[in-house]
Amino acid sequence: EIVMTQSPATLSVSPGERATLSCRASQSVNSNLAWYQQKPGQAPRLLIYGASIRATGIPARFSGSGSGTEFTLTISSLQSEDFAVYYCHQYNNWPAFGGGTKVEIK
Amino acid sequence: EVQLVQSGAEVKRPGATVKISCKVSGYTFTDYYMHWVRQAPGKGLEWMGVVDPEDGETIYAEKFQGRLTITADTSTETAYMELSSLRSEDTAVYYCAMSRSWYNRLDPWGQGALVTVSS
Repeated sequence: EIVMTQSPATLSVSPGERATLSCRASQSVNSNLAWYQQKPGQAPRLLIYGASIRATGIPARFSGSGSGTEFTLTISSLQSEDFAVYYCHQYNNWPAFGGGTKVEIK
Repeated sequence: EVQLVQSGAEVKRPGATVKISCKVSGYTFTDYYMHWVRQAPGKGLEWMGVVDPEDGETIYAEKFQGRLTITADTSTETAYMELSSLRSEDTAVYYCAMSRSWYNRLDPWGQGALVTVSS
């Protein structure tokens, strides 16, 4: 079973600043890694798949990088609508999610 | 537009069984796989299992083996998630979500269905 660990648990950022979220896999998942955004009361929304490919309609300020066991989601300039919880998800085999990173207003 | 519309909230007693539906539209039902993911209040996402609607084959997370049944009805283009022997820890929002293969990104997702287990 692959365990996904996200850090930090909470990230306090001011609007307009850059946010960097990390996700680590307990063993290699190649590039089979997705990122989702979830706002209160809503279902998760796909942001990134294949570690670095933006999903349809996702703004360019969201970018993903990494492969193997270390992954990063970067939001280049936080907008008010970006404050949410972000989850990574490996689908190399048995799907597993990270515990989430809450991005809150500083 | 691809849409997944789930059934409504449920309240169940411990030991009961719940069955949630996920009605799809906007794509060929048998071309994609349907996953179920749950989220306990204030907690993260937990993958439960997946079904291939074309032949009904399923894969379940080990944690739910023996209690979980995922099915797909091609005549109504609806997927179902049935969880038995409910306990308070099963209180959660249950989501259906599509993928292009057994293990792939999940997109889109249903709106979720809250299941509350309480005596």
